[in-house]
Amino acid sequence: NAGVTQTPKFQVLKTGQSMTLQCAQDMNHNSMYWYRQDPGMGLRLIYYSASEGTTDKGEVPNGYNVSRLNKREFSLRLESAAPSQTSVYFCASSDFRHSASGRAYEQYFGPGTRLTVT
Amino acid sequence: AQRVTQPEKLLSVFKGAPVELKCNYSYSGSPELFWYVQYSRQRLQLLLRHISRESIKGFTADLNKGETSFHLKKPFAQEEDSAMYYCALSNNAGNMLTFGGGTRLMVKP
Repeated sequence: NAGVTQTPKFQVLKTGQSMTLQCAQDMNHNSMYWYRQDPGMGLRLIYYSASEGTTDKGEVPNGYNVSRLNKREFSLRLESAAPSQTSVYFCASSDFRHSASGRAYEQYFGPGTRLTVT
Repeated sequence: AQRVTQPEKLLSVFKGAPVELKCNYSYSGSPELFWYVQYSRQRLQLLLRHISRESIKGFTADLNKGETSFHLKKPFAQEEDSAMYYCALSNNAGNMLTFGGGTRLMVKP
């Protein structure tokens, strides 16, 4: 199993350009997520999809759109890139599992996309 | 609103010394907390979760509801423990995590 894969690994954009970050998972998970990682701020949730056909805003959704194409794929689009969107972007997936001791929950992360907007 | 605070951006210790990475949270419901770790050039991965009460790679973390803390501890740090550590809090539905700002642990030889 490849787990969670992301493309591209690196990207440089000029201000105003658009691009789509791709994410796919082969673990049959229902939920998928997009985060951005900035120094000192940890991971902040941009958008998530609790299940196929649904998407919801996270903490920092402005400037982004998402598409849950099918159960495997969840893409993130920057329509008009800005320097403030320079960051490392992580996709993750998870499933909600019950354990004997209560809820069990783990997110599996992709390798990340390093995006620079000049 | 739920919030996770990791007060130390960087923690530097010598090999063999005890280490404690601090995590405080605010949450109105019954919290479910996790520690994730990111080693150099690797993906972010789950280290441990409070509900399992497990010890992974010598690390433990105890949930203290009175102090709203979930500090990560290891009695004897190893160089391979050097990494970025994130504390995370789940929402009630179990389908969203809120992450702290992260602490970089450096273990010196």
